[in-house]
Amino acid sequence: DIRMTQSPSSVSASVGDRVTITCRASQAVSTWLAWYEQKPGKAPKALIYSASNLQSGVPSRFSGSGSGTDFSLTISGLQPEDSATYYCQQAHTFPITFGQGTRLEVK
Amino acid sequence: QITLKESGPTLVNPTQTLTLTCTFSGFSLTTNDVGVGWIRQPPGKALEWLAVIYWDDDKRYSPSLSSRLTITKDTSKNRVVLTMTNMDPVDTATYYCGHSLYSLGNWFDTWGQGTLVTVSS
Repeated sequence: DIRMTQSPSSVSASVGDRVTITCRASQAVSTWLAWYEQKPGKAPKALIYSASNLQSGVPSRFSGSGSGTDFSLTISGLQPEDSATYYCQQAHTFPITFGQGTRLEVK
Repeated sequence: QITLKESGPTLVNPTQTLTLTCTFSGFSLTTNDVGVGWIRQPPGKALEWLAVIYWDDDKRYSPSLSSRLTITKDTSKNRVVLTMTNMDPVDTATYYCGHSLYSLGNWFDTWGQGTLVTVSS
């Protein structure tokens, strides 16, 4: 199985800041990587697919980059509603695997 | 507009079989490229992929759970059913279904609201 490791596990930032979350795959996954946002008690919501493509309806302050084994999700101009847990997921090889999540608190 | 909704029991006894149904609208599982998958999340823990079924009836399972899982589709009723045998308290989780497009990769663009299943006697 491909192991997905996210860092940091949690981060706190202020409104208007920029935050970057990283995701490392144990094997190369090309650009077959997605990012999700999950708020407490809610289902995950897709943000980014194919490493850098913004899902329809997602604000442009979200962006993704990377290929191979190293990926990042950047949120610019943080808003209070961005407080959530963020997950990466590799879509290259079965079994599909997720990172352990990064909890973001926006103060 | 694509929507999915999970249904099934909220409480299951250990050793019993769990049957979950994902009822969807806004797409058809007879259309090329379409897939529906299942993902679960134990309370306070990360997401875990379970299975996916595609328009051509191709099925993939998590290797760690494959002996206990069966995924099927009923295209006439727009439903996907997941069965998991020999349930254990560690299987307590919120179970989600999600829509995917094979050509864009095995990620889930739309998710159901989830259903919490508790395994306890």
